[in-house]
Amino acid sequence: QSALTQPPSASGSPGQSVAISCTGTSSDVGAYNYVSWYQQHPGKAPKLIIYEVYKRPSGVPDRFSGSKSGNSASLTVSGLQTEDEADYYCSSYADNNIVIFGGGTKLTVL
Amino acid sequence: QVQLVESGGGVVQPGMSLRLSCAASGFTFSDHGMHWVRQAPGKGPEWVAVIWYDGSRQYYPDSVKGRFTISRDDSKNTLYLQMNSLRADDTALYHCAIEGGPMGSKIEYWGPGTLVTVSS
Repeated sequence: QSALTQPPSASGSPGQSVAISCTGTSSDVGAYNYVSWYQQHPGKAPKLIIYEVYKRPSGVPDRFSGSKSGNSASLTVSGLQTEDEADYYCSSYADNNIVIFGGGTKLTVL
Repeated sequence: QVQLVESGGGVVQPGMSLRLSCAASGFTFSDHGMHWVRQAPGKGPEWVAVIWYDGSRQYYPDSVKGRFTISRDDSKNTLYLQMNSLRADDTALYHCAIEGGPMGSKIEYWGPGTLVTVSS
């Protein structure tokens, strides 16, 4: 039940695109299409922005997109805006009916 | 609108117990599975427990299995987390959250959390 692996930081300039990776195993990310991504601003609860690998909840801009290949998933933020600066976490359903989160990536908009 | 309000947190000594509550409103509580997820200061979220929409199943990670129990009272639209044998590494902000699809597929809304501090 190890945490999913994310890079601790990522950055980009306004208008650019940035991708954040999330690496798991064949027991979680690789086995199920139940990868989610959350955005968390300081002092706030996490907000769901991607679920089931690529689906966006109502109200989430289409600048946010998700994908998966093998045991790794990725969140891409296109057309970076200053308000995108936040912590981003991935999660995955895993064998034995558990949910595993990543350690988080701090996105800085330069 | 959807509202989740956690309560029951506080400062407790190692080995003690605590029960958290989560009052839900703005959605049909009995239609949804519910989670508890915790976040230690400066750390990422850690999933703690899930209960099926009808209360028939509960699952936990190894880190809390045998010590924590999730339950629900649909007549009160309230979710609970009974935490026993608390340890220092249980210190965290505890959020309740709504499952919007198959288990683990869409933890779609989180409450602001209640802080649990385990310290002697």
